[in-house]
Parts: sequence; C-alpha cells; structure tokens
Amino acid sequence: AQKVTQAQTEISVVEKEDVTLDCVYETRDTTYYLFWYKQPPSGELVFLIRRNSFDEQNEISGRYSWNFQKSTSSFNFTITASQVVDSAVYFCALSEAPGSDMRFGAGTRLTVKP
Amino acid sequence: DADVTQTPRNRITKTGKRIMLECSQTKGHDRMYWYRQDPGLGLQLIYYSFDVKDINKGEISDGYSVSRQAQAKFSLSLESAIPNQTALYFCATSDLGTRSGQFFGPGTRLTVL
Repeated sequence: AQKVTQAQTEISVVEKEDVTLDCVYETRDTTYYLFWYKQPPSGELVFLIRRNSFDEQNEISGRYSWNFQKSTSSFNFTITASQVVDSAVYFCALSEAPGSDMRFGAGTRLTVKP
Repeated sequence: DADVTQTPRNRITKTGKRIMLECSQTKGHDRMYWYRQDPGLGLQLIYYSFDVKDINKGEISDGYSVSRQAQAKFSLSLESAIPNQTALYFCATSDLGTRSGQFFGPGTRLTVL
C-alpha cells in the first residue's frame, strides 16, 4: 500500500530564514512519482513539482529546491530565504503513474512571519 | 477561463438533504477525481473515473455516489448529508501523460448542519 507521511504539522519561521519540509513515503512499486503542491490561504491547490522514481537528481527552482533520496524514501522540500507569501499548507503526494490516482500526506502548514 | 470548474463554491445544507457537487473541465482529460479535505488529514480520494464508462471507489466512498455524464463532467452526490461530511471538496483531472500530476478545481466548501 502507498503511504505518505509529513510529520511536521506546522512550522513557523521568520522571513528570510530557510525552511525544510519533510516528506517520507512508502510504496511497493518500483516506478512511482512524487509531487509537491502548495495550498495558499485562498484554498486552491498549486502544482510545484513532479519527480520520477528513476531520476534522483535534485532540482532547484528559484528559492525552491527538492532533495529526493530513494535510500531513505524521502522527498524533502526546502525554501531558501522564505517570504511571507510562502505562507501556505504544503502537500506531498505519491502516485504510480503521472496521471494516476494520488496518495497525499496530511500537509504541513508553513507560516512565515515578517 | 478556468480549466477545471466546480459548482457551487460554497454550500450550507441540513442533515438528511441530498446534495450534488458538479465538476466540469475543458482540458480534454479522460481521468477525473473527487477528493475531500479535512484539517490535518490532507486530501482523501472519494471516487475516480478513468473514462465515461469507468467508475472506481476511492478510500472513503461510503455515503457518496458519482456520475460521469460526459468526458468533461463528473458529479459527486451526497444522498443524505450528515455533519461529518462537512469538508472542502476538490475535483481533479489528469491524463497519463500529464507531467504535473492532477489539475485541481478551486474547491467546494460544504457545511452540513
């Protein structure tokens, strides 16, 4: 069975601090896909990244970076120099195929204070 | 125009009432999903459909039913609403080749009194 664990329920940082959101997953599939979504206070779900299980290269997009480690079944998300606009709930998710049904973690609520 | 739309956006109803939430998409995707979001539980899959003739139960389908009226439309019904069905409901669409996973609608906030 697939399972995604986001152990950090809430994180609070001060603007400009770096913050890492943890995601640990369980799956029996040898091929799978991992995702991060952002849910700002307005409520919509915003896609951030997709990572394939066969591609362990880390990725950086501006202030965002993702560290995928198969050995520890983790797909952690780091925001560098956080900003107030980064305040949101962040979800990690897992699926066996890019367009397949997804299993979500419980989410981490990030609050960035000015 | 939004690719995935949900109606209504907000609804307050009473216990025992029948409620239908509607989802439409213009992305041309075959696959559609209904999720509910409760605080601290993330999103849980209610039902999903891989094409018009295919309907599948998700993790928490009890108390819900769905109808895939067309490729672009997927409705979720609560036959007799109860208070613990108060939640934020999301519709999503995807294709197997979708690089960004699923595309989500804006959500419907349902309150059952």
